[in-house]
Amino acid sequence: GQQLNQSPQSMFIQEGEDVSMNCTSSSIFNTWLWYKQEPGEGPVLLIALYKAGELTSNGRLTAQFGITRKDSFLNISASIPSDVGIYFCAGLNQGGSEKLVFGKGTKLTVNP
Amino acid sequence: NAGVTQTPKFRILKIGQSMTLQCTQDMNHNYMYWYRQDPGMGLKLIYYSVGAGITDKGEVPNGYNVSRSTTEDFPLRLELAAPSQTSVYFCASKENTEAFFGQGTRLTVV
Repeated sequence: GQQLNQSPQSMFIQEGEDVSMNCTSSSIFNTWLWYKQEPGEGPVLLIALYKAGELTSNGRLTAQFGITRKDSFLNISASIPSDVGIYFCAGLNQGGSEKLVFGKGTKLTVNP
Repeated sequence: NAGVTQTPKFRILKIGQSMTLQCTQDMNHNYMYWYRQDPGMGLKLIYYSVGAGITDKGEVPNGYNVSRSTTEDFPLRLELAAPSQTSVYFCASKENTEAFFGQGTRLTVV
């Protein structure tokens, strides 16, 4: 089955630092998604990417859809304490199987 | 507009008992999903549905069953609960790209 490898597993950073995380897949997706989960809640969509090579921003967040369609990257600039949470990548073949598959997550801790 | 509603929020089951986790969405979405999230881990897809009357297995379907008789409802059934099914269960629905998640059901099997 499809597997998403997300790294790093966890990050401990100081407020103001930039963060990078990535996700690779054993198979191709036509849509990459990045979600954030806060304690006791379900994941919430941050950014959606629809085309290989696409670079999309949402405030301090920037994500890229890899050229091979098997990877994606998320960057957070100038981190703040409320960025704390678990970030998940997810792959989707929209219009195909519609199976939405998630990576294992990157747990982010921001020290003020 | 309630979005995705899951019940119950918490449940303790004894080994061998059965239960149904309820999931309802009021957004008229075609696609619905069930995931389990173990402590410190990601979301593993159990079952999903692309519309009423259609269901498909995800990554970890063993020990679970689903049905989709209406667009709104997508219940998840555990027939013989096992300790390995202790987890937090999330239901989600989507149309196009964005999936909306429920608040989760925390299940403990003892």
